[in-house]
Amino acid sequence: GEDVEQSLFLSVREGDSSVINCTYTDSSSTYLYWYKQEPGAGLQLLTYIFSNMDMKQDQRLTVLLNKKDKHLSLRIADTQTGDSAIYFCAESSDYGNNRLAFGKGNQVVVIP
Amino acid sequence: KAGVTQTPRYLIKTRGQQVTLSCSPISGHRSVSWYQQTPGQGLQFLFEYFSETQRNKGNFPGRFSGRQFSNSRSEMNVSTLELGDSALYLCASSLTGSQPQHFGDGTRLSIL
Repeated sequence: GEDVEQSLFLSVREGDSSVINCTYTDSSSTYLYWYKQEPGAGLQLLTYIFSNMDMKQDQRLTVLLNKKDKHLSLRIADTQTGDSAIYFCAESSDYGNNRLAFGKGNQVVVIP
Repeated sequence: KAGVTQTPRYLIKTRGQQVTLSCSPISGHRSVSWYQQTPGQGLQFLFEYFSETQRNKGNFPGRFSGRQFSNSRSEMNVSTLELGDSALYLCASSLTGSQPQHFGDGTRLSIL
């Protein structure tokens, strides 16, 4: 079955880098996603990585995937106050399956 | 391009009533999924519709149902509301299966 684990809270100073970690259990995961949720809003898709990739970089965001350890991380460079939010990782297993399994989320607080 | 639109944004109901939530996907997207978000259980998958057919279903009681119309718009219905149904209900759309899902801002349902 699918089970996604995340740590709960991270505080970081503005301008520093943030790293958020996630572990998953389903080895058949096809895509792994990072979503951002701000207060009172829905989920914003930040980036995603296909399971046959090790790394993906998208502007300030870097995603690292370690399939052996089933570990996913999101690095945010030059963290800004607007990055304060809850970050969720999610996995989908089986090609054609749109059922996402989410972690509990990681709250990131950026200190000016 | 307009994003995923959910209506209404807020809803207050009493126990025993029923409710219908609406979701308009991004133009051209054929898959619509619904999720429930609560502080205790986090984000949980309810069901997915594709081409007017339910393709996946999560572990929710039969009181939760949905449908999709020929224009890909979807509705979700909850009957005989219980206090525990209070949650943020999120709709997500994607082009087809295994494509990144884009979320709306959700409908916040409160049961009194």
